[in-house]
Amino acid sequence: QVQLQQSGPGLVKPSQTLSLTCAISGDSVSSKSAAWNWIRQSPSRGLEWLGRTYYRSKWYNDYAVSVRSRITITPDTSKNQFSLQLNSVTPEDTAVYYCVRDPRITSAVTFDYWGQGTLVTVSS
Amino acid sequence: QSALTQPASVSGPPGQSITISCTGTSSDVGVYNSVSWYQQHPGKAPKLMIYDVTKRPSGVSNRFSGSKSGNTVSLTISGLQAEDEADYYCTSYTSGTTVVFGGGTKLTVL
Repeated sequence: QVQLQQSGPGLVKPSQTLSLTCAISGDSVSSKSAAWNWIRQSPSRGLEWLGRTYYRSKWYNDYAVSVRSRITITPDTSKNQFSLQLNSVTPEDTAVYYCVRDPRITSAVTFDYWGQGTLVTVSS
Repeated sequence: QSALTQPASVSGPPGQSITISCTGTSSDVGVYNSVSWYQQHPGKAPKLMIYDVTKRPSGVSNRFSGSKSGNTVSLTISGLQAEDEADYYCTSYTSGTTVVFGGGTKLTVL
């Protein structure tokens, strides 16, 4: 059974960096079939895919156009986890953030396991 | 990337069937079979209900089914039950290696 456990602060100041981590159990961040995603949800923007990381002989990342200049998703094989960094946040980045597994990179949208969600509020 | 278009709400009495549509473009739904549906109850994470347009994950009731015609995919729920009341979202792979979601549909079981 795959489990994703999220951690990170729930409050971030405007212009600072949002950082969240997702610890994986029951699978490997280095899996050659899965991709590891971050998705957020807010009343104003609905569900929004942010990006993913995956390993296929080397590491790859794909990012949403809307956040491409501000986002980094990084795997940590020693701890079997992956992280999200979103720079220069504004109140528009206030949302519930989820880490999510896609077991088949070829599909890109088969999100079968989700973290518990972290409400991140951007406010001074 | 523009969101996929879903009706804001649908409703039906217990036992009836309902269909939720999700309309995209020739850059996403129209050309890819990488389309999924998610059910979300209040305060919970979304749950995968349909993937690859028509496939059900293990454990999902066969009352849920998916289909596609042109740029539109649909989720049909037959034999509505009270626990089906939730928000439903479609999502699709898009050209440019990104993912787009629908705006969500609130299902009310009358």
